Amino acid sequence: QVQLQQSGPGLVKPSQTLSLTCDISGDSVSSNSATWNWIRQSPSRGLEWLGRTYLTSKWYNEYALSVKSRITIKPDTSKNQFSLALNSVTPEDTAVYYCVRERNTFFDCWGQGTLVTVSS
Amino acid sequence: QSALTQPRSVSGSPGQSVTISCTGTSSDVGGHNYVSWYQQHPGKTPKVMIYGITKRPSGVPDRFSGSKSANTASLTISGLQGEDEADYYCCSYAGSNTPWVFGGGTKLTVL
Repeated sequence: QVQLQQSGPGLVKPSQTLSLTCDISGDSVSSNSATWNWIRQSPSRGLEWLGRTYLTSKWYNEYALSVKSRITIKPDTSKNQFSLALNSVTPEDTAVYYCVRERNTFFDCWGQGTLVTVSS
Repeated sequence: QSALTQPRSVSGSPGQSVTISCTGTSSDVGGHNYVSWYQQHPGKTPKVMIYGITKRPSGVPDRFSGSKSANTASLTISGLQGEDEADYYCCSYAGSNTPWVFGGGTKLTVL
């Protein structure tokens, strides 16, 4: 059974970098049949897909246009995990952040969610 | 503002049917067959109910069905039960620029 376990701080100061990690058990970040995503949810913006990393013939990263200039998603094959870094955060980045597996064109496994508050 | 448009709320009595719409454009809903629907109860993570427009994952009751016409996808729940009361979100593939987009969510109330 696949499980995703998130970790990272719940409070980040404005202009700093939001960093979260997602540990994968029961699957591999190097799987050819899955992509590894970050999605956030807030009352004002609803569910918002942020980006993904995945391996086919090589590693690919794709990001939402709304955050493309500020975001980095990286796989770590040695630890079987992937990470999110979102820099220059503002209070508008306050949300619950989820790491999520996508297989067969839908999101089938979600991390537990991390509420990240951007505040000084 | 979400990329896909859903009604804010719908309601129905137990045993009735309700339909939730999800309107996009020819770049997302209308241009691809990768529409999925997620159910979210308060404090819980989203759970997929429909994928590929019409397919149900194992374990999802056949009371849940999906369809699509042009740029609008729909989720129909028949034989409403109290446990169906939740928020529902649609999601569509939208091409290489931003692969996945969501609707703003619909709150289903079972009267």
